[in-house]
Amino acid sequence: TQLLEQSPQFLSIQEGENLTVYCNSSSVFSSLQWYRQEPGEGPVLLVTVVTGGEVKKLKRLTFQFGDARKDSSLHITAAQPGDTGLYLCAGAGGGSSASKIIFGSGTRLSIRP
Amino acid sequence: KAGVTQTPRYLIKTRGQQVTLSCSPISGHRSVSWYQQTPGQGLQFLFEYFSETQRNKGNFPGRFSGRQFSNSRSEMNVSTLELGDSALYLCASSLVVGATNEKLFFGSGTQLSVL
Repeated sequence: TQLLEQSPQFLSIQEGENLTVYCNSSSVFSSLQWYRQEPGEGPVLLVTVVTGGEVKKLKRLTFQFGDARKDSSLHITAAQPGDTGLYLCAGAGGGSSASKIIFGSGTRLSIRP
Repeated sequence: KAGVTQTPRYLIKTRGQQVTLSCSPISGHRSVSWYQQTPGQGLQFLFEYFSETQRNKGNFPGRFSGRQFSNSRSEMNVSTLELGDSALYLCASSLVVGATNEKLFFGSGTQLSVL
């Protein structure tokens, strides 16, 4: 069974600080996605990384896919209260089915003004 | 383009009752999948439909069922509700079947509380 472990589970930091959350697995994924979910809403796709070692930037967010395609990280620079939410990583095992997407347990991020 | 629409947003039921949740995917999306989200278990895959056919089913009891209509709208049904069925039920639609990097577009969910 493929599992995705996210760490930390909870993170509360001051506005303006930097942070990194991690997504780790013992399995290889064909791609990895990051979602952000705000209270009362569904997850929203932020980015998909496909190639081992790939780095993608989305404004203050930097996503990296591990060389072996087993892990990923999300780094936020100068965090803002609007970054608050549940961050989910999701690994795709290949193929076209949603059933092949495994979600991590999430990191709940709170940014204090 | 309208997003994924789920109705109702909130639902309160008692044990033993049944419930039907509805999901309208993004126009043009033919694949709909359902997930259960709880604080303890995270996001768990329930089932996936494409062209009115169930393609895959997660590890849930037979009390959980679903269907998809010719217009791609989908419903899921939970019969004989149990307290443990209290959760946020999310529907996601996707555009292309056959791509290797499935992109899911989620609705806002239906928050079900079983008393």
